[in-house]
Amino acid sequence: ILNVEQSPQSLHVQEGDSTNFTCSFPSSNFYALHWYRWETAKSPEALFVMTLNGDEKKKGRISATLNTKEGYSYLYIKGSQPEDSATYLCAVFQGGSEKLVFGKGTKLTVNP
Amino acid sequence: DVKVTQSSRYLVKRTGEKVFLECVQDMDHENMFWYRQDPGLGLRLIYFSYDVKMKEKGDIPEGYSVSREKKERFSLILESASTNQTSMYLCASRSGRLHYEQYFGPGTRLTVT
Repeated sequence: ILNVEQSPQSLHVQEGDSTNFTCSFPSSNFYALHWYRWETAKSPEALFVMTLNGDEKKKGRISATLNTKEGYSYLYIKGSQPEDSATYLCAVFQGGSEKLVFGKGTKLTVNP
Repeated sequence: DVKVTQSSRYLVKRTGEKVFLECVQDMDHENMFWYRQDPGLGLRLIYFSYDVKMKEKGDIPEGYSVSREKKERFSLILESASTNQTSMYLCASRSGRLHYEQYFGPGTRLTVT
């Protein structure tokens, strides 16, 4: 069974701080990794879909990297703002499966 | 914009009732999914469908069934609701290609009393 681990479980930072969190997964048979942001009372929304080792993606102040050989991805937020407060979900596809397997998420709270 | 809608945001049902949760997507996506989300457990896949009338069990199918009679609609059925099915239920859809992201509905918070 594919196990996707996210750390930390939760994080409190001050406005303006930069932060990062980790998603770990088995490197064998990797196909794709997704990052989603889930704000309270809203639907999860996709941030990035990454497939290649060494991939780096950026959207505004948020960026992500992918290392498929060692089985991890980092999500970075530069200069956190209160509106970045959300749960960030990582999900992985393995080859041969149609199912995304989700980690339990990292809950970020940005204090003004 | 892709829209995934769910029939109810909040639902309260009694133990033993049959419950229908409906999900509709408007982007002609092949794949549709039902998840439940519980504190500390993350998103867990109940069932998914990759085509009309096709369905596959996810990780926690017990106590649930699904129906996909039309491409845009995917229904989750709780045959006899129990209190341990109190949860947040999320529907999602995705194009057939794995590199594409999933689009989620707003969720239905179901309480079974």
